[in-house]
Amino acid sequence: SQQGEEDPQALSIQEGENATMNCSYKTSINNLQWYRQNSGRGLVHLILIRSNEREKHSGRLRVTLDTSKKSSSLLITASRAADTASYFCATATPMEYGNKLVFGAGTILRVKS
Amino acid sequence: DGGITQSPKYLFRKEGQNVTLSCEQNLNHDAMYWYRQDPGQGLRLIYYSQIVNDFQKGDIAEGYSVSREKKESFPLTVTSAQKNPTAFYLCASSRRGGEQFFGPGTRLTVL
Repeated sequence: SQQGEEDPQALSIQEGENATMNCSYKTSINNLQWYRQNSGRGLVHLILIRSNEREKHSGRLRVTLDTSKKSSSLLITASRAADTASYFCATATPMEYGNKLVFGAGTILRVKS
Repeated sequence: DGGITQSPKYLFRKEGQNVTLSCEQNLNHDAMYWYRQDPGQGLRLIYYSQIVNDFQKGDIAEGYSVSREKKESFPLTVTSAQKNPTAFYLCASSRRGGEQFFGPGTRLTVL
């Protein structure tokens, strides 16, 4: 079953605008991760935010986590055409030797130049 | 050149055949994973292995089998029992508790 639910399902913006994607989940987590996937390719890890963190930055990416609302958001600032991809959130729950990731269905982002 | 590789990139299977997808990593990661992705959907976990000679079923293991005889390798067999195998298959690896690194994927089509 998919725990993460992304919103919106698709987003189309102009180059230079900001893009915000949201993720909601249902159970307690160790951390939440965001991944990017270009069409027909593997996933690339973007950022990990732990359950005791509220905000994290990496370059043009800003991720927030609200564990009380069981939600996270990914903000991409000053978007570029090269940011066009699908973005997935994945919630991590503990296993014996690590974390099990459960992925949402993703947000398809299109940045128009 | 470290990373995770999958082969083949494209695979065609006749109904009733078993096929094996390869996944190799030279990142010295303990854990490896197989996911299935269908169009417009997220990834679903098929099998995972946290150490050599051990593996566990994920959410959709029926019709699939795996082995983990070496740390570097985690092949996935799609058996004839899998009724709808056409999908994009992704392999990943990670350190214990760390982020997962993904291979480029294998697109399997049943003819």
